[in-house]
Amino acid sequence: GNSVTQMEGPVTLSEEAFLTINCTYTATGYPSLFWYVQYPGEGLQLLLKATKADDKGSNKGFEATYRKETTSFHLEKGSVQVSDSAVYFCALIRNGTSYGKLTFGQGTILTVHP
Amino acid sequence: DAGITQSPRHKVTETGTPVTLRCHQTENHRYMYWYRQDPGHGLRLIHYSYGVKDTDKGEVSDGYSVSRSKTEDFLLTLESATSSQTSVYFCAISVVGANTEAFFGQGTRLTVV
Repeated sequence: GNSVTQMEGPVTLSEEAFLTINCTYTATGYPSLFWYVQYPGEGLQLLLKATKADDKGSNKGFEATYRKETTSFHLEKGSVQVSDSAVYFCALIRNGTSYGKLTFGQGTILTVHP
Repeated sequence: DAGITQSPRHKVTETGTPVTLRCHQTENHRYMYWYRQDPGHGLRLIHYSYGVKDTDKGEVSDGYSVSRSKTEDFLLTLESATSSQTSVYFCAISVVGANTEAFFGQGTRLTVV
């Protein structure tokens, strides 16, 4: 079946530090890959996505590249801010007749200190 | 704002009682989902719907049922609540196709005592 594995958290960084959150996946076929972010007390928001190998998703300074050879979709940001403190979820949708069902990783809590 | 409203936002209920959570959308999307969020598990799919009266089970469907009698409403029922169903429940809607993307509600925090 499909699965997503994220690096263990929580992650604590100082403002302006470099961020990497690792994500690897197992899926049949060619899934679409997503990063969602959840700010305290809120629902999930789509941060970025990639639908095919070698695609790079980017938004708000965050980037992730769909690497088929390593089945990875690591999230990076060059300089984090306190406002980036949130929970980050890597997820996939198996393309085809999956009805848009998302498979999520366990989430990584990011805390950024001034 | 993706036009999704969940109600109630918070609920405390006793073990053994039935509970119904409501998800209402204003986007007229065909696909709707219920997920639960638990520490260490991320979000897991409970049930989903691909049209009015068309529903199917997800990964963790035991103890839950759903109904969708009209496009805009998707109800999740805990038939007899147990403490293991204490969780945060999220409804989502989705555009499915070449540019699939899901939008989430604000969540319902349910505590079963």
